[in-house]
Amino acid sequence: EVQLVESGGGLVQPGGSLRLSCAASGSYSPYWMQWVRQVPGKGLVWVSCIDSDGGTTNYADSVKGRFTISRDNAKNTVYLQMNSLRVEDTAVYFCGRGWAAMDVWGQGTTVTVSS
Amino acid sequence: QSALTQPPSASGSPGQSVTISCTGTSGDIGGQKYVSWYQQHPGKAPKLMIYEVIKRPSGVPDRFSGSKSGNTASLTVSGLQAEDEADYYCSSYAGSNNLIFGGGTRLTVL
Repeated sequence: EVQLVESGGGLVQPGGSLRLSCAASGSYSPYWMQWVRQVPGKGLVWVSCIDSDGGTTNYADSVKGRFTISRDNAKNTVYLQMNSLRVEDTAVYFCGRGWAAMDVWGQGTTVTVSS
Repeated sequence: QSALTQPPSASGSPGQSVTISCTGTSGDIGGQKYVSWYQQHPGKAPKLMIYEVIKRPSGVPDRFSGSKSGNTASLTVSGLQAEDEADYYCSSYAGSNNLIFGGGTRLTVL
């Protein structure tokens, strides 16, 4: 059974950068992977996706040009490089496995953008 | 892409059935077969309950069912149980590797 564990969240000033990681353990095979974020008390918002070999990626308009998704299948890990962070990027960031539906989710990592 | 539209709240008594709607457009729900539903308890990660409109992952009780008509998808929970109290989110593939979520519905078991 695959488990996903996110890490890399923290407190950063506006304009700063963070890199989130999503590590898979258990029976791992490359899948499409997604990043989804959630402001506490608010709904889920899709952020980005990457295909099984990293050749195809996509981003929500709100993060396009600032965030970059990548993966290292040798390390069973997907990354989200977040640059030029804004206060409105503050959220819990979840990674999920799947293309149109996510059947495995991590527990989330919290990103706080504040001065 | 605007979020899919869900009612903010729904409720029912134990044993009853409740249906949560999710309205989109012809570009997402109406034109796609990839509609999913997620359950989220407070402080927890979402859990996939329905995918491809009507399919249930292994382990999800058959009390949960999905459907779609036009631009609106629905999740029905039959035989409500206390543990069904949670937030429910719909999601749809919107083409070009985009996903879109609904705003969420808080289900209360009275």
